Amino acid sequence: DAGVTQSPTHLIKTRGQQVTLRCSPISGHKSVSWYQQVLGQGPQFIFQYYEKEERGRGNFPDRFSARQFPNYSSELNVNALLLGDSALYLCASSPRDRVTEAFFGQGTRLTVV
Amino acid sequence: QLLEQSPQFLSIQEGENLTVYCNSSSVFSSLQWYRQEPGEGPVLLIALYKAGELTSNGRLTAQFGITRKDSFLNISASIPSDVGIYFCAGYQTQGGSEKLVFGKGTKLTVNP
Repeated sequence: DAGVTQSPTHLIKTRGQQVTLRCSPISGHKSVSWYQQVLGQGPQFIFQYYEKEERGRGNFPDRFSARQFPNYSSELNVNALLLGDSALYLCASSPRDRVTEAFFGQGTRLTVV
Repeated sequence: QLLEQSPQFLSIQEGENLTVYCNSSSVFSSLQWYRQEPGEGPVLLIALYKAGELTSNGRLTAQFGITRKDSFLNISASIPSDVGIYFCAGYQTQGGSEKLVFGKGTKLTVNP
């Protein structure tokens, strides 16, 4: 079975621009969550979605938004990019009956210049 | 940081055993241990759900504290491929909101 897939793998954007990151969960997984990981730190929770509904939100500004589609894939949008948004963005999916167990993709490396 | 991990860095000889600790002032409904290698996402190693639960996965053993605020991960007979950053992550549900909180990680080096 394919694991969690994220696209693109790398991205360079300019300050003030907008970016959309995409995630396809493991087949059969209905929960998707997003994390930001800056160098030297653990992943920081941004959003969790289950069955297209937001189930959790971390301490991130409103410039960050996400959604989940009927096929359980998800997008993370970040508007008005700042230099500090440069990070590895990780997507994870979880099986319904083990929603606390996260299976991560390889991430999208976002660089804001 | 909600979850404190220690030590931050660990350098051991191949074949040695090691233990990583995770502590918090908050209660978690479950706790997981992950390992991350450069350029990869974290990989789930062990998930703990019950207070006091002791679980093994091969050479890895982890326990969830009685108070649900702490945990340890033990790796026996280390091998070079154990290198990476080990994270503990606690799952919280508050007011209908769910989130997974990660520690800062423990970077492990295994010398042959």
